[in-house]
Amino acid sequence: DVKVTQSSRYLVKRTGEKVFLECVQDMDHENMFWYRQDPGLGLRLIYFSYDVKMKEKGDIPEGYSVSREKKERFSLILESASTNQTSMYLCASSLPSGNNEQFFGPGTRLTVL
Amino acid sequence: GEDVEQSLFLSVREGDSSVINCTYTDSSSTYLYWYKQEPGAGLQLLTYIFSNMDMKQDQRLTVLLNKKDKHLSLRIADTQTGDSAIYFCAEDGASNTGKLIFGQGTTLQVKP
Repeated sequence: DVKVTQSSRYLVKRTGEKVFLECVQDMDHENMFWYRQDPGLGLRLIYFSYDVKMKEKGDIPEGYSVSREKKERFSLILESASTNQTSMYLCASSLPSGNNEQFFGPGTRLTVL
Repeated sequence: GEDVEQSLFLSVREGDSSVINCTYTDSSSTYLYWYKQEPGAGLQLLTYIFSNMDMKQDQRLTVLLNKKDKHLSLRIADTQTGDSAIYFCAEDGASNTGKLIFGQGTTLQVKP
């Protein structure tokens, strides 16, 4: 069974803290994605990666960075968390061919106080 | 730029049909998708349609694609309370990078 896991379901951090969100997939997928989900705004792409050590900015990269040192792991980093980064964060992965189906993790609900 | 639009909320009675609508701007999409998100979970692919098709049926689900009007719809027959969820429309756009463009999501409420 295909699986995308995220390190935490719920996370509470303070303003200014450095935050790491981890995502691991076991499907040997080349593509990995980080989204944030906010009510009424749907999913917005933060960053994506189509290979190890490769990364591309999505639509809202400001305030975030990513790391992909291994194929199965894609990390999202908030260098200095702010209250407007309180959101649901979703990770996904896909193959670079076929129907482009993305497989999603369960999400991390991040609250920044 | 690429954009996908959906209405935010739909309420139906159990046993009725639900129709969720979506419009998109990128006519060069290869695939269009419907994802379902149950409470507290990530998104799961419900169904997808290839852009050269105009209809796809899968049990209680019917997808209609009108390429001329750039309109996609999802019909759920005999809607059940377990169908209550957020439904996202998405397209793969022209970039061929594997990126998907998602709509805002339609919350479907099914009343008993």
